[in-house]
This record gives sequence, C-alpha cells and structure tokens, in this order.
Amino acid sequence: EVKLVESGGGLVQPGGSLRLSCATSGFTFTDYYMSWVRQPPGKALEWLGFIRNKANGYTTEYSASVKGRFTISRDNSQSILYLQMNTLRAEDSATYYCARDKAPFAYWGQGTLVTVSA
Amino acid sequence: DIQMTQSPASLSASVGETVTITCRASENIYSYLAWYQQKQGKSPQLLVYNAKTLAEGVPSRFSGSGSGTQFSLKINSLQPEDFGSYYCQHHYGTPLTFGAGTKLELK
Repeated sequence: EVKLVESGGGLVQPGGSLRLSCATSGFTFTDYYMSWVRQPPGKALEWLGFIRNKANGYTTEYSASVKGRFTISRDNSQSILYLQMNTLRAEDSATYYCARDKAPFAYWGQGTLVTVSA
Repeated sequence: DIQMTQSPASLSASVGETVTITCRASENIYSYLAWYQQKQGKSPQLLVYNAKTLAEGVPSRFSGSGSGTQFSLKINSLQPEDFGSYYCQHHYGTPLTFGAGTKLELK
C-alpha cells in the first residue's frame, strides 16, 4: 500500500524558515518523481515543484512563486521527501501536500498546515 | 504559463441530477488534463487523467471529455458522496497549474 505522511508544519514568524518532511512507503522511492502542492485556507491548489527520479538525476523544478526561497530534496536511503522553506511570508500560509509523481497525482499525503504569522 | 479557467465556480444540484463542469486551457494541452475531487478537510483524489481515462476505483458515473483547450467533467446521477470541490489540472509540461475549482453543493 502506497503511503505518504507529511510532518513539520506549524506556526512560524514572517521571514522565518521551516522544513517539511514526507515519509513514504509501499513503493520504490527512487523510481518516482515526487511533488509538493499547497492549498491556502479556502483557496485553490497550487503546484510548487517536483524532484525527479533516479533515472533523471534527481533534478528539480519549481513554480515561479517559490523559486529561490523553497528547496525540494530527498533522502533516498530513508524514502523521505523534504521541502525547505525560507523567507516565509504570510501568503505562504497553507496546507502543504506531498504527492507521488509529477502529475497526474494518484497518491497524496494527508497534508500539514503551515501558518506564517507574527 | 498555461492558465486553466474552470467554470462554474459553484454549482447546486440534487441527488440523481447530472452535472457538467468545464475547464479551458489558455493554450493547446492536447489531452493532458486531469480532474480531482476534494472533500472538506481531505486530500484531493484523482478522478480522471489524460482527459478521459478514469483513475482506478472511480465510479463510471464520472466521465471526462475534450482535447486541445476545452474540457469537461460530467457526473451522471449524482450521489451524496459526490458533493465537494473539483479541480482541473493540466499535466503538459511545467509549471503545472490547477483551475480555481468548482464547489458542488447539495441543493
């Protein structure tokens, strides 16, 4: 059974940093692209970026809204996906989801809530 | 970037009715279009990909159609569990973008 479990969300001050984790199981982690998607409260889904699989060199792509502030990485030995978020702003407040693949997303985590507020 | 315009933004319907949600892409995305359902407080669930292919386990009352720039999701004979929000997303290159969503409510 494919499982994705996010953690690391919480309250952070504007300008601060946070690292989210997505622990995975039930599939061969290195075979898959992994993605991050977020959803502000009451708003639409927004793709943030992905990290490619082993065959494609684990390179990354990002949306313009987070490029340069957010970094996606992976620990292939532990099958964990990360999202390092720096210079956080109020508009980054959202539920953050990890998803398997680059799209379409058949598997999602349950999400972790990030609130950026003083 | 490809923009996805979804309509209507909200929709009220009764159990047993048939409804259609549309999604328009700002440029040709061929058939690289997915639909997701999201219930309140839950993660999105994939319904349709490649415009018309049902994801595993999705009931046959859901159907997707379209290609190029115009797409639709049709739900026949609405069931109580179908109420929630629906999002389209193109999967033709990056950045991947979602529509603004359609909230389907019980009339």
